[in-house]
Amino acid sequence: DTAVSQTPKYLVTQMGNDKSIKCEQNLGHDTMYWYKQDSKKFLKIMFSYNNKELIINETVPNRFSPKSPDKAHLNLHINSLELGDSAVYFCASSLRQGTQPQHFGDGTRLSIL
Amino acid sequence: RKEVEQDPGPFNVPEGATVAFNCTYSNSASQSFFWYRQDCRKEPKLLMSVYSSGNEDGRFTAQLNRASQYISLLIRDSKLSDSATYLCVVNSWGDDKIIFGKGTRLHILP
Repeated sequence: DTAVSQTPKYLVTQMGNDKSIKCEQNLGHDTMYWYKQDSKKFLKIMFSYNNKELIINETVPNRFSPKSPDKAHLNLHINSLELGDSAVYFCASSLRQGTQPQHFGDGTRLSIL
Repeated sequence: RKEVEQDPGPFNVPEGATVAFNCTYSNSASQSFFWYRQDCRKEPKLLMSVYSSGNEDGRFTAQLNRASQYISLLIRDSKLSDSATYLCVVNSWGDDKIIFGKGTRLHILP
C-alpha cells in the first residue's frame, strides 16, 4: 500500500492556468507538508499542516493555497501559474509536528509552457 | 551564512572506498539532525538520524559537532547502490523550522 500518494505525477500546463495537486496519506500521521524542489534540486518547505491546521507558511506567493479537508489529505491549489512555478512538488507526512521521519510522496512534476 | 550548507559535489569515489561529507548549520538553537537520501528523480527518504553521541548503522556513521555546528556522514566500503544525493536536514524546535540542505551528490565508480 502506498503510504503517501500524490496525483497527478506529471502536470504540463500553460502559463496563467489554475491547477491542483492532491495528496493523501494512510499512515495515520498528524502532520502533512508541501515542498518545492526546483531545477537546482533545492528542496524547500512551503506549508505544514497539523491536524488540519496551518502551522508553517513560508514565504510563498498567495497564488498557492493549501487545503486540508481532514488530517489524511493536503491539497495544493495554484492560481495563475507562472514559468517560475515549474518544479517538482513533494507532499510529505510525519507522525507529529516536527518529528522525523517524514514520508514523502513520489512528487508531482509541474511544467509550465 | 546560509542556514544549512553542504558541498554540492559531485564526489566521485571508487567502489569500496570510504567517503565522508559534512553539513554546517547556522542556527545554534537547532535541535535535531538527520540525513536523507534522494535517488535521481525519486523522493527523499530518511537514511538516519544524527544523535549527539554519534551513531552507526551498518556501513554508515553519523556524527554531530555542536561546538562547530556541523554534522557528518561517513560511508565505509561504498557500493554502487550508494550513488545518490545526500540531504542534510536540521529541525529547530520552538519555531518548527525544518531546513533541508541542497544535498551532496555522490557517484560510486565501478
